[in-house]
Amino acid sequence: GENVEQHPSTLSVQEGDSAVIKCTYSDSASNYFPWYKQELGKRPQLIIDIRSNVGEKKDQRIAVTLNKTAKHFSLHITETQPEDSAVYFCAASKPGSARQLTFGSGTQLTVLP
Amino acid sequence: DADVTQTPRNRITKTGKRIMLECSQTKGHDRMYWYRQDPGLGLRLIYYSFDVKDINKGEISDGYSVSRQAQAKFSLSLESAIPNQTALYFCATSDSGYTGELFFGEGSRLTVL
Repeated sequence: GENVEQHPSTLSVQEGDSAVIKCTYSDSASNYFPWYKQELGKRPQLIIDIRSNVGEKKDQRIAVTLNKTAKHFSLHITETQPEDSAVYFCAASKPGSARQLTFGSGTQLTVLP
Repeated sequence: DADVTQTPRNRITKTGKRIMLECSQTKGHDRMYWYRQDPGLGLRLIYYSFDVKDINKGEISDGYSVSRQAQAKFSLSLESAIPNQTALYFCATSDSGYTGELFFGEGSRLTVL
């Protein structure tokens, strides 16, 4: 089955700096890559996703890039703010009726004031 | 607002007891899921259901069972709880479209002593 590895497990940045979280996947058939954000004590929520027919997608201060050849994708957050502090999960899934998501282990991002 | 509701939110029980976690949703989605969250391990799929008569095992189904009582209700049971089932459990829903976005409940924290 699919295996998703996520790095780093913890990341601290100064407010205003950029943060990058990286994930690799094992199944070359995977074609959907979402990112979920989980604030402390809250439920995970989708913040951005990308499909394998594009290499990059942006939404304001967040962007996701995908390298299908290397089988890795990354989340980029620019101009970080304290409210960006959370656990971020990457995930991958492949075509089919099941479309089960396999999640990475999560990255605890702390934005220092 | 349409939502995903889990009960109980917190539960402490003893080894060997039977426990049921319940999930109901008003989103009108066909697909429902149970995930388990452990620190450093991300979100792992326990069971999923695509309609009332459909039940599928996820990657960590041993020791768990589920029931899809109606389109809007999906319950998770631990027949004989053990301490390593102590975790945060999330119910989630999605529609049957290509997007596949998961909408999570608020979580049920289970402690098995």
